Amino acid sequence: GAVVSQHPSWVICKSGTSVKIECRSLDFQATTMFWYRQFPKQSLMLMATSNEGSKATYEQGVEKDKFLINHASLTLSTLTVTSAHPEDSSFYICSARDSGAGQPNQPQHFGDGTRLSIL
Amino acid sequence: AQSVAQPEDQVNVAEGNPLTVKCTYSVSGNPYLFWYVQYPNRGLQFLLKYITGDNLVKGSYGFEAEFNKSQTSFHLKKPSALVSDSALYFCAVRVKAAGNKLTFGGGTRVLVKP
Repeated sequence: GAVVSQHPSWVICKSGTSVKIECRSLDFQATTMFWYRQFPKQSLMLMATSNEGSKATYEQGVEKDKFLINHASLTLSTLTVTSAHPEDSSFYICSARDSGAGQPNQPQHFGDGTRLSIL
Repeated sequence: AQSVAQPEDQVNVAEGNPLTVKCTYSVSGNPYLFWYVQYPNRGLQFLLKYITGDNLVKGSYGFEAEFNKSQTSFHLKKPSALVSDSALYFCAVRVKAAGNKLTFGGGTRVLVKP
Protein backbone atom coordinates (compact mmCIF):
# COMPACT_ATOMS: atom_id res chain seq x y z
CA GLY A 1 0.00 0.00 0.00
CA ALA A 2 0.88 3.66 -0.17
CA VAL A 3 3.54 4.67 2.33
CA VAL A 4 4.41 8.12 3.58
CA SER A 5 7.71 8.47 5.40
CA GLN A 6 8.25 11.34 7.80
CA HIS A 7 11.58 12.23 9.33
CA PRO A 8 12.67 12.84 12.02
CA SER A 9 10.22 11.18 14.36
CA TRP A 10 11.40 13.11 17.40
CA VAL A 11 13.26 16.40 17.79
CA ILE A 12 14.37 18.17 20.93
CA CYS A 13 16.12 21.48 20.46
CA LYS A 14 16.79 24.84 22.01
CA SER A 15 14.60 27.88 21.59
CA GLY A 16 15.57 29.92 18.55
CA THR A 17 16.63 26.92 16.49
CA SER A 18 15.11 26.19 13.09
CA VAL A 19 13.90 22.66 12.54
CA LYS A 20 13.24 20.95 9.22
CA ILE A 21 10.81 18.04 8.88
CA GLU A 22 10.75 15.91 5.75
CA CYS A 23 7.78 14.11 4.27
CA ARG A 24 8.25 11.61 1.47
CA SER A 25 5.80 9.52 -0.51
CA LEU A 26 7.71 6.29 -1.02
CA ASP A 27 5.76 4.44 -3.67
CA PHE A 28 3.57 7.04 -5.26
CA GLN A 29 3.68 10.58 -6.54
CA ALA A 30 1.90 13.38 -4.75
CA THR A 31 1.38 16.78 -6.32
CA THR A 32 -0.27 17.81 -3.07
CA MET A 33 0.81 17.14 0.48
CA PHE A 34 -0.71 18.35 3.70
CA TRP A 35 0.80 19.45 6.99
CA TYR A 36 -1.14 19.05 10.22
CA ARG A 37 -0.52 19.93 13.81
CA GLN A 38 -1.94 17.90 16.66
CA PHE A 39 -2.07 18.97 20.29
CA PRO A 40 -2.32 16.37 23.05
CA LYS A 41 -5.63 14.58 23.08
CA GLN A 42 -6.95 16.75 20.27
CA SER A 43 -7.78 16.35 16.63
CA LEU A 44 -5.61 17.28 13.68
CA MET A 45 -5.49 20.87 12.58
CA LEU A 46 -4.61 21.53 8.97
CA MET A 47 -1.79 24.05 8.78
CA ALA A 48 -1.11 24.20 5.08
CA THR A 49 -1.42 22.49 1.76
CA SER A 50 1.84 21.94 -0.04
CA ASN A 51 1.74 22.13 -3.84
CA GLU A 52 4.53 20.71 -5.97
CA GLY A 53 6.29 23.44 -7.88
CA SER A 54 4.28 26.30 -6.44
CA LYS A 55 3.60 28.13 -3.22
CA ALA A 56 1.91 26.44 -0.32
CA THR A 57 -1.58 27.42 0.73
CA TYR A 58 -1.77 28.28 4.42
CA GLU A 59 -4.81 28.05 6.64
CA GLN A 60 -6.05 31.11 8.42
CA GLY A 61 -3.99 31.95 11.45
CA VAL A 62 -0.91 30.00 10.39
CA GLU A 63 2.19 32.17 9.99
CA LYS A 64 3.79 31.68 6.61
CA ASP A 65 7.14 33.03 7.71
CA LYS A 66 7.14 30.81 10.76
CA PHE A 67 6.28 27.59 9.00
CA LEU A 68 8.13 27.44 5.70
CA ILE A 69 6.98 24.79 3.27
CA ASN A 70 8.82 23.58 0.22
CA HIS A 71 7.52 20.98 -2.21
CA ALA A 72 10.33 20.63 -4.69
CA SER A 73 9.47 17.25 -6.15
CA LEU A 74 6.53 14.90 -6.55
CA THR A 75 7.70 12.81 -3.62
CA LEU A 76 9.10 15.29 -1.11
CA SER A 77 7.71 18.14 0.94
CA THR A 78 9.50 19.83 3.82
CA LEU A 79 8.24 21.91 6.71
CA THR A 80 10.72 24.20 8.43
CA VAL A 81 9.78 25.67 11.76
CA THR A 82 11.88 28.82 11.90
CA SER A 83 13.20 30.26 15.15
CA ALA A 84 11.20 27.75 17.11
CA HIS A 85 9.90 28.60 20.57
CA PRO A 86 8.34 26.45 23.30
CA GLU A 87 4.83 27.24 22.06
CA ASP A 88 5.73 25.56 18.77
CA SER A 89 6.16 22.27 20.60
CA SER A 90 3.64 19.86 19.15
CA PHE A 91 3.10 16.74 17.07
CA TYR A 92 3.37 17.51 13.37
CA ILE A 93 1.94 15.08 10.83
CA CYS A 94 2.23 15.14 7.06
CA SER A 95 -0.11 13.51 4.61
CA ALA A 96 -0.24 12.87 0.88
CA ARG A 97 -2.70 11.66 -1.68
CA ASP A 98 -1.73 9.61 -4.71
CA SER A 99 -2.03 12.02 -7.62
CA GLY A 100 -1.41 9.23 -10.10
CA ALA A 101 -4.37 7.15 -9.02
CA GLY A 102 -6.70 9.04 -11.31
CA GLN A 103 -9.43 9.42 -8.74
CA PRO A 104 -10.03 12.51 -6.61
CA ASN A 105 -11.59 10.38 -3.89
CA GLN A 106 -8.42 8.53 -2.95
CA PRO A 107 -7.69 8.49 0.79
CA GLN A 108 -4.89 10.55 2.22
CA HIS A 109 -1.97 8.58 3.61
CA PHE A 110 -0.21 9.82 6.69
CA GLY A 111 3.32 9.83 7.96
CA ASP A 112 4.09 8.68 11.49
CA GLY A 113 4.46 12.22 12.70
CA THR A 114 7.24 14.28 14.25
CA ARG A 115 7.17 15.18 17.91
CA LEU A 116 8.85 18.55 18.30
CA SER A 117 9.93 19.68 21.74
CA ILE A 118 11.44 23.14 22.11
CA LEU A 119 13.27 23.79 25.35
CA ALA B 1 -18.52 25.00 6.00
CA GLN B 2 -18.14 21.29 6.52
CA SER B 3 -17.87 19.76 9.97
CA VAL B 4 -17.63 16.39 11.64
CA ALA B 5 -18.84 15.46 15.10
CA GLN B 6 -17.78 12.49 17.16
CA PRO B 7 -20.03 12.76 20.20
CA GLU B 8 -18.12 10.34 22.41
CA ASP B 9 -14.67 11.21 23.72
CA GLN B 10 -14.16 7.63 24.82
CA VAL B 11 -15.80 4.27 24.25
CA ASN B 12 -15.16 1.34 26.56
CA VAL B 13 -15.97 -2.17 25.46
CA ALA B 14 -15.12 -5.67 26.60
CA GLU B 15 -13.08 -7.85 24.30
CA GLY B 16 -15.32 -9.91 22.06
CA ASN B 17 -18.22 -7.48 22.27
CA PRO B 18 -19.42 -5.33 19.38
CA LEU B 19 -17.77 -1.96 18.98
CA THR B 20 -19.46 1.17 17.61
CA VAL B 21 -17.86 4.57 17.20
CA LYS B 22 -20.27 7.31 16.21
CA CYS B 23 -19.79 10.00 13.61
CA THR B 24 -22.10 12.61 12.14
CA TYR B 25 -21.26 15.19 9.52
CA SER B 26 -22.50 18.42 8.02
CA VAL B 27 -21.62 19.35 4.46
CA SER B 28 -22.90 21.10 1.39
CA GLY B 29 -22.73 18.63 -1.43
CA ASN B 30 -21.92 14.96 -1.65
CA PRO B 31 -19.47 13.85 1.02
CA TYR B 32 -16.52 11.55 0.82
CA LEU B 33 -16.26 9.95 4.26
CA PHE B 34 -13.26 8.30 5.88
CA TRP B 35 -12.25 6.56 9.07
CA TYR B 36 -8.71 6.57 10.38
CA VAL B 37 -7.09 5.03 13.44
CA GLN B 38 -4.15 6.45 15.37
CA TYR B 39 -1.91 4.56 17.76
CA PRO B 40 0.25 6.43 20.31
CA ASN B 41 2.97 8.59 18.76
CA ARG B 42 2.04 7.45 15.28
CA GLY B 43 0.37 8.96 12.26
CA LEU B 44 -3.09 8.00 11.05
CA GLN B 45 -3.84 4.71 9.37
CA PHE B 46 -6.62 4.53 6.81
CA LEU B 47 -9.41 2.10 7.70
CA LEU B 48 -12.15 2.62 5.15
CA LYS B 49 -13.98 5.12 2.99
CA TYR B 50 -17.39 5.81 1.55
CA ILE B 51 -17.53 7.45 -1.83
CA THR B 52 -20.68 6.16 -3.49
CA GLY B 53 -22.61 2.94 -3.91
CA ASP B 54 -23.42 0.52 -1.13
CA ASN B 55 -24.09 2.21 2.18
CA LEU B 56 -22.25 -0.51 4.08
CA VAL B 57 -18.52 -0.23 3.58
CA LYS B 58 -16.04 -2.87 4.70
CA GLY B 59 -12.49 -1.93 5.57
CA SER B 60 -9.30 -3.09 7.21
CA TYR B 61 -9.00 -5.25 10.35
CA GLY B 62 -12.65 -6.32 10.30
CA PHE B 63 -14.06 -2.81 10.57
CA GLU B 64 -17.08 -1.62 8.65
CA ALA B 65 -19.12 1.55 8.51
CA GLU B 66 -22.62 2.40 7.43
CA PHE B 67 -23.41 5.57 5.53
CA ASN B 68 -26.82 6.98 6.43
CA LYS B 69 -27.68 9.98 4.33
CA SER B 70 -30.91 10.88 6.10
CA GLN B 71 -29.20 10.91 9.48
CA THR B 72 -25.93 12.30 8.06
CA SER B 73 -24.06 9.62 9.96
CA PHE B 74 -21.16 7.31 9.24
CA HIS B 75 -20.75 5.12 12.32
CA LEU B 76 -17.79 2.75 12.54
CA LYS B 77 -18.49 -0.79 13.69
CA LYS B 78 -16.70 -4.02 14.48
CA PRO B 79 -18.65 -7.15 15.43
CA SER B 80 -16.08 -8.44 17.91
CA ALA B 81 -13.54 -6.07 19.41
CA LEU B 82 -9.94 -7.00 20.21
CA VAL B 83 -7.68 -5.52 22.86
CA SER B 84 -5.41 -4.44 20.03
CA ASP B 85 -8.22 -2.25 18.69
CA SER B 86 -7.61 0.14 21.57
CA ALA B 87 -6.59 3.38 19.89
CA LEU B 88 -7.81 6.82 18.82
CA TYR B 89 -10.29 6.84 15.96
CA PHE B 90 -10.98 9.77 13.66
CA CYS B 91 -13.86 10.28 11.29
CA ALA B 92 -13.21 12.67 8.40
CA VAL B 93 -15.14 14.21 5.54
CA ARG B 94 -14.06 15.71 2.26
CA VAL B 95 -16.19 17.62 -0.21
CA LYS B 96 -15.02 18.44 -3.69
CA ALA B 97 -16.74 21.81 -3.61
CA ALA B 98 -14.77 22.71 -0.50
CA GLY B 99 -11.43 22.24 -2.19
CA ASN B 100 -11.11 18.60 -1.25
CA LYS B 101 -9.80 19.48 2.20
CA LEU B 102 -10.13 16.76 4.78
CA THR B 103 -12.00 17.85 7.91
CA PHE B 104 -11.58 15.68 11.01
CA GLY B 105 -13.82 14.99 13.93
CA GLY B 106 -12.45 15.44 17.41
CA GLY B 107 -11.54 11.80 17.76
CA THR B 108 -12.85 8.98 19.95
CA ARG B 109 -10.60 6.97 22.18
CA VAL B 110 -11.51 3.29 22.21
CA LEU B 111 -10.50 1.14 25.13
CA VAL B 112 -11.06 -2.59 24.78
CA LYS B 113 -10.71 -4.42 28.05
CA PRO B 114 -9.72 -8.08 28.23
